[in-house]
Amino acid sequence: QLQLQESGPGLVKPSETLSLSCSVSGGSISSSTYYWGWIRQPPGKGLEWIGTIYYSGSTYYNPSLKSRLTISVDTSKNQFSLNLNSVTAADTAVYYCASSPKYCGGGSCYPGYFQHWGQGTLVTVSS
Amino acid sequence: SYELTQPLSVSVALGQTARITCGGNNIGSKIVYWYQQKPGQAPVLVIYRDSNRPSGIPERFSGSNSGNTATLTISRAQAGDEADYYCQVWDSSTVVFGGGTKLTVL
Repeated sequence: QLQLQESGPGLVKPSETLSLSCSVSGGSISSSTYYWGWIRQPPGKGLEWIGTIYYSGSTYYNPSLKSRLTISVDTSKNQFSLNLNSVTAADTAVYYCASSPKYCGGGSCYPGYFQHWGQGTLVTVSS
Repeated sequence: SYELTQPLSVSVALGQTARITCGGNNIGSKIVYWYQQKPGQAPVLVIYRDSNRPSGIPERFSGSNSGNTATLTISRAQAGDEADYYCQVWDSSTVVFGGGTKLTVL
């Protein structure tokens, strides 16, 4: 059973970079079976997909965040990371990392649902 | 960009059937997933690939998808089903979530 755990600062100043890591246990991040994703949820609001990465480094980003976003994978540490720069108060949210089983259909493969989730970590953007 | 539309709230009497819709342009041609989220917890998958239940999810949860609407149906609603529910699809190399529906069990 995969387990995921987010880590990183709970408070980030406006205009700075939000950096989070997700440690994966119970399986290898290099598995071809999974993609790895980030999702966030502003207080009292719905889920927003941030981006997804494959162990090979292939990435899919939310177009609305793409210009500020970098997601990377570190296979040696069995973790993946999120960097979101130039943050504002609108980036205040609970940030989740999650595993996403690879789905292949119609001649291509892509992330399916989010199966295993971290507990989430609240990141507040404030001076 | 693709959009998914869910009602903000749905109410159901205890023991009755709740239906939560997820509207999208020709959503019937896409694969839909549904999540349940209770306060202070991470979401939990309750339906995958339109109508399949993960292990551990009661048979009372079912899904369908056709035309422009996908539906999550919860039969014999229980107090413990009270939660927020989100639909999700994969479209044009992006993940799209619906805005979420708060289910109240009366």
